Amino acid sequence: GQQVKQSSPSLTVQEGGILILNCDYENDMFDYFAWYKKYPDNSPTLLISVRSNVDKREDGRFTVFLNKSGKHFSLHITASQPEDTAVYLCAAGEGQGGSAKLIFGEGTKLTVSS
Amino acid sequence: GPKVLQIPSHQIIDMGQMVTLNCDPVSNHLYFYWYKQILGQQMEFLVNFYNGKVMEKSKLFKDQFSVERPDGSYFTLKIQPTALEDSAVYFCASSSEGRTEVFFGKGTRLTVV
Repeated sequence: GQQVKQSSPSLTVQEGGILILNCDYENDMFDYFAWYKKYPDNSPTLLISVRSNVDKREDGRFTVFLNKSGKHFSLHITASQPEDTAVYLCAAGEGQGGSAKLIFGEGTKLTVSS
Repeated sequence: GPKVLQIPSHQIIDMGQMVTLNCDPVSNHLYFYWYKQILGQQMEFLVNFYNGKVMEKSKLFKDQFSVERPDGSYFTLKIQPTALEDSAVYFCASSSEGRTEVFFGKGTRLTVV
């Protein structure tokens, strides 16, 4: 089954707006949660991440919220800009002996219209 | 920022032939990974590699797959023989230690015909 699931395949928001991307997971052992951003034909790049001992982390316009009891984490983007248009991938993992094996969601294609 | 380079970006190969995908990880990184993404599906973990050994592999990492990094050169994924279902984009990644940022390459699009 799918261990990490993104509920929305696509989202559109007006420039300047606020949006929320959601991700649900199944494995209680996950202790690392991340959002990656991907442009077409480019590499996924880490946007923001959080460990399981924290329920919120903010970095500029981007905030990740973690709800462990609900097995859910989300990415909030404020003041959205056209350059935010990309595919956003959530990922979760549990390190084994130091290695980060990540389980990815299917991705949400975000379009910011100007 | 740090870059993971993958060579080639595209590869077309006849079914049954061998293919080697090359990855130049971020220098001083110690952990290396391969992920597979079939068109329209999510990226899926294949294998991770540390200190010259496979640490963990998924059920997608078939017997026909192998990885190595001889003498600190490219980290490679070899498929021998290839099958039609191996057609996908293969992403290489590396990290300096576990549970921190994992850097990905742009992927190699493999088409098996």
